[in-house]
Amino acid sequence: EDKVVQSPLSLVVHEGDTVTLNCSYEVTNFRSLLWYKQEKKAPTFLFMLTSSGIEKKSGRLSSILDKKELFSILNITATQTGDSAVYLCAAIRNAGNMLTFGGGTRLMVKP
Amino acid sequence: GAVVSQHPSWVICKSGTSVKIECRSLDFQATTMFWYRQFPKQSLMLMATSNEGSKATYEQGVEKDKFLINHASLTLSTLTVTSAHPEDSSFYICSATRTGGLVGAFFGQGTRLTVV
Repeated sequence: EDKVVQSPLSLVVHEGDTVTLNCSYEVTNFRSLLWYKQEKKAPTFLFMLTSSGIEKKSGRLSSILDKKELFSILNITATQTGDSAVYLCAAIRNAGNMLTFGGGTRLMVKP
Repeated sequence: GAVVSQHPSWVICKSGTSVKIECRSLDFQATTMFWYRQFPKQSLMLMATSNEGSKATYEQGVEKDKFLINHASLTLSTLTVTSAHPEDSSFYICSATRTGGLVGAFFGQGTRLTVV
C-alpha cells in the first residue's frame, strides 16, 4: 500500500524564521511528488518534483526531491504570517494518475 | 491558468436527502477528475477517479451506491451524496486533469457539506 508521511505534524515559528518541512514516501511505480499549500479551502499547487537533486524555487519557497532516500523537503525562508497554512505533499504514480497525500504539516507563523 | 470550479461552496441538508456537487473545468477539457474527502485537520482522502464517458473507479471502502459519480462531459463531473447522514458531513474537493497535463495541479474550491 502506498504511503506518504509528513513531519512535523505541526510547527510554530516566528516571522523571519526559516522552516523545513519533510515528506517521505513509499509508492509503487513512483512518478512525481507534489507540494501544496492549504489555507481555508482547497489546496493550492506549489511544486512538482520528478527528478532527484534539482531544486525548484518560487520566491521564498524551495523544494527538492531525493529519489534514492525517498523523501522531499520544502523550505520556507524569512517566514511571514501569510505562510501560516497546512502544507501537503502528495506522491503520484506513473499509472492511473492517483495522488496519495501525506497527513500534512500545520505551520503557524507568529508575528 | 486553468481553473476548476466547484459548486456549491457549502451546503446544509437534512438527513435522508441527496446532495449534488458539481466540478467543472472552465478552460480545458478534463479527461479525468478526482474526488476527495477531507475531515477536519486531516489530509485529503481519494474517494474515486472519474473518467469521461465511463464508470468511476472507487477507492476501497467508498460506497459507490452512496457516492454517485457522473462524468458525462469533458468539462463536468458530479458527485451525488445519496441519503445523506450526519457522518457524511465533510469537505469534498475535486481535482481535474487535462489530457497530457499535470495531474493534481488544479483543484476546485471545495464543498463543505453539513448534514443535520
